[in-house]
Parts: sequence; structure tokens; C-alpha cells
Amino acid sequence: NAGVTQTPKFQVLKTGQSMTLQCAQDMNHEYMSWYRQDPGMGLRLIHYSVGAGITDQGEVPNGYNVSRSTTEDFPLRLLSAAPSQTSVYFCASSTRIQGAWETQYFGPGTRLLVL
Amino acid sequence: SQQGEEDPQALSIQEGENATMNCSYKTSINNLQWYRQNSGRGLVHLILIRSNEREKHSGRLRVTLDTSKKSSSLLITASRAADTASYFCATANRGSTLGRLYFGRGTQLTVWP
Repeated sequence: NAGVTQTPKFQVLKTGQSMTLQCAQDMNHEYMSWYRQDPGMGLRLIHYSVGAGITDQGEVPNGYNVSRSTTEDFPLRLLSAAPSQTSVYFCASSTRIQGAWETQYFGPGTRLLVL
Repeated sequence: SQQGEEDPQALSIQEGENATMNCSYKTSINNLQWYRQNSGRGLVHLILIRSNEREKHSGRLRVTLDTSKKSSSLLITASRAADTASYFCATANRGSTLGRLYFGRGTQLTVWP
């Protein structure tokens, strides 16, 4: 199993440009989520999904859209990039064990720089 | 904020010494998890402790949980240079959306050879 994969690894955007960060998992996990990590801020939840066709907002959703058309894929779209979105983005997935959501598996991250 | 808070923010020790990191949180939890992040990499799950557990071991790792004090500690025994990383605690809060974790800001551990 490849686990959680993310593309691209690095990206430079100009202010106002749009792009999609890709995330895929091959573990048949129901739960997927996107975090951003900024220095000294820990991880902050952007959006999450508990299954195909179901998404919801996390702590910092503004400026980002998501969709979940399949169990495997959970892309994150930046609608109009801003310098404040410069960050490292992590995708994670999880499943239930005996009815409880538990360990999250993280992708390697996408480093985004918005000029 | 519903985040956990790790203490200390940074810890520097020699190989062979033990490293202890603490995590405090504010709400009732279903479980608490510890993750490790090597520089430039994603987070890797280390250990999960449920709210009805008080201590858990995994190899050189020992985690304790005190729900009355809303705190947890991670002990790494006989540390190695390869243990150098950031360590995060994350809580699955009772009453929160299932699956959602709340992360602290992390402890940066440096182990000198």
C-alpha cells in the first residue's frame, strides 16, 4: 500500500492564481482531512470528510474548497491564492476501529509559497 | 481553543538520556494521541491512549494520562540521535465531530550524539 499520497510536493503561486492540491489514499479509509501547518501554530484543520459526498468545514476553511467524489481522493482547491496561504499542507486519513475513529495517517505534505 | 499544549516547546538532551514531554488540554476527551514529525516530513502516529487508560507502553515509549488534571506525558527512554524530531499531542474531544483531532504546537526534541 502507498498509504496517503500528496501532489505536488512544492508549488509557487502568484497572488490571485488558483490551484488544486491532490490527496489520495489506498487504505479504503472513510475519514479524510486537510491541515495546514505554520511555524509555531501546530496543525489547523481546514476541511474534512467522513465519506464520499460528505464534507464539512474545519477551523480555517476560508479561501479553500473541497469535494469528495470517491473514497480514495480528497482534493483541496485554492480559489484565489493569497500570501497568507503560504504554508505546508497535510492530508490525512482515518478509519473506525470497533466503531471509534482513531489513528490518522498523514501524507508527506505540500509546501506552498504564494508571492 | 480546544487544542492541547505541549511543554516544553524545546528540549535538548544527550543520547542515552530520557526525554519527557507533557501535554495539557482543556476538554473531556475520548482519546489522546502522540505523533512524531521529522524535519520536512509528515506526521507519524506513535501511540494512542484512551480516556479510561492511565498508562501505555510501546517499545521505548511510555505514555501516561491523568484525566483529572487533563494532562498527558510522553517519556522516551534511552534516547537516540534518530529520535530528534517534533512531537505533537492530539486529542479526540468528547462531543466533537467524530474523527476530528485537535493538535498542540509541539515539542522540538534534539538528541545530541
